[in-house]
Amino acid sequence: ETGVTQSPTHLIKTRGQQVTLRCSSQSGHNTVSWYQQALGQGPQFIFQYYREEENGRGNFPPRFSGLQFPNYSSELNVNALELDDSALYLCASSWTRSGANVLTFGAGSRLTVL
Amino acid sequence: ILNVEQSPQSLHVQEGDSTNFTCSFPSSNFYALHWYRWETAKSPEALFVMTLNGDEKKKGRISATLNTKEGYSYLYIKGSQPEDSATYLCAFNSGNTGKLIFGQGTTLQVKP
Repeated sequence: ETGVTQSPTHLIKTRGQQVTLRCSSQSGHNTVSWYQQALGQGPQFIFQYYREEENGRGNFPPRFSGLQFPNYSSELNVNALELDDSALYLCASSWTRSGANVLTFGAGSRLTVL
Repeated sequence: ILNVEQSPQSLHVQEGDSTNFTCSFPSSNFYALHWYRWETAKSPEALFVMTLNGDEKKKGRISATLNTKEGYSYLYIKGSQPEDSATYLCAFNSGNTGKLIFGQGTTLQVKP
């Protein structure tokens, strides 16, 4: 079975630009969660998608948005980038939306905003 | 504000030493506690998910315990090996959504 893959692995943007990060979920998983890990911190929950619907959102502004597609892959979009958006963005898939399900993580997309 | 605290922040041990870390989490609205191992340049990898007070899980030389009433979990590594060097993350879930609240992690360095 394939794991979770994320793209791109690294990217550099300037303040005010927009970025799209992509994630393919593990085979058989219908739920995708996105996390932001800033330097020196643990991963922070951005949002979760279950069967193409948003199922919970963390304390992130509306310029962070997402999509989940019928094949359960997902995108994270960030508009009007700020310097503080520089971080590692982790995608994780799980069998269902339950908080007791193991998350399978991708290796992350490292975003640098200049 | 729900907070998850891990201690120590970092740890250096010699090969063969046994070690343990602590994860503290809110004792109310508990649903699940996760442990992940994250090696440099790799993806976080699930170790355990525990849901019941008193749960004990074991995977090789690594084990974990759970006390939901007092809000803590311990992760133990017996006879540490250099390949155990990684950051160990715990994460709390309160069951309302799939949201996990992660601690900052404990970074373990095992010297040969």
